[in-house]
Amino acid sequence: KAGVTQTPRYLIKTRGQQVTLSCSPISGHRSVSWYQQTPGQGLQFLFEYFSETQRNKGNFPGRFSGRQFSNSRSEMNVSTLELGDSALYLCASSLAGLAGGPKNIQYFGAGTRLSVL
Amino acid sequence: KQEVTQIPAALSVPEGENLVLNCSFTDSAIYNLQWFRQDPGKGLTSLLLIQSSQREQTSGRLNASLDKSSGRSTLYIAASQPGDSATYLCAVMNRDDKIIFGKGTRLHILP
Repeated sequence: KAGVTQTPRYLIKTRGQQVTLSCSPISGHRSVSWYQQTPGQGLQFLFEYFSETQRNKGNFPGRFSGRQFSNSRSEMNVSTLELGDSALYLCASSLAGLAGGPKNIQYFGAGTRLSVL
Repeated sequence: KQEVTQIPAALSVPEGENLVLNCSFTDSAIYNLQWFRQDPGKGLTSLLLIQSSQREQTSGRLNASLDKSSGRSTLYIAASQPGDSATYLCAVMNRDDKIIFGKGTRLHILP
């Protein structure tokens, strides 16, 4: 069974540009969550999508957005990039989502490392 | 506002020893608590998940406990091995479905 796949693995952008990251969950999983990891702030929750609907959102500005398709694949978009957006972006999939009880064990992808110059 | 703290930030232990990693949280109204490991340059691997109604979970050499009233969880690793070297993170799920991570404990097992 294939794991969670994130593309691309590495990305270099300049300030002001926008970027789209992709996450393909484990087959059958309907929930995809996105996280940002930086040395200073650690791992922070961005948002969760479940069956194409955003179900939960962390405390990030509106420049960070996402969507989920009918096949459960998800994309995350960051517009008007800032230097502080440089981070490892992780996505995770689960059967029942963050509040799904024992079935909410999340399986993480390897991440996309974004560098903003 | 929920805060999750992991102390120490780094730990070195000789191979074969038993060890305990600590996680504390400020708001006891949690839904569950999860322990993860992260290897350098990689994503997270879920180790154990403890529901709020549970006191502990075990998987192989790992045992995680949860004491909601004191806002604490421990991850016990028995007979440590060099392959256990990684960063260990705990995360709590609040009742409002927000997940908050600690900053992790970087564990190094000395051969």
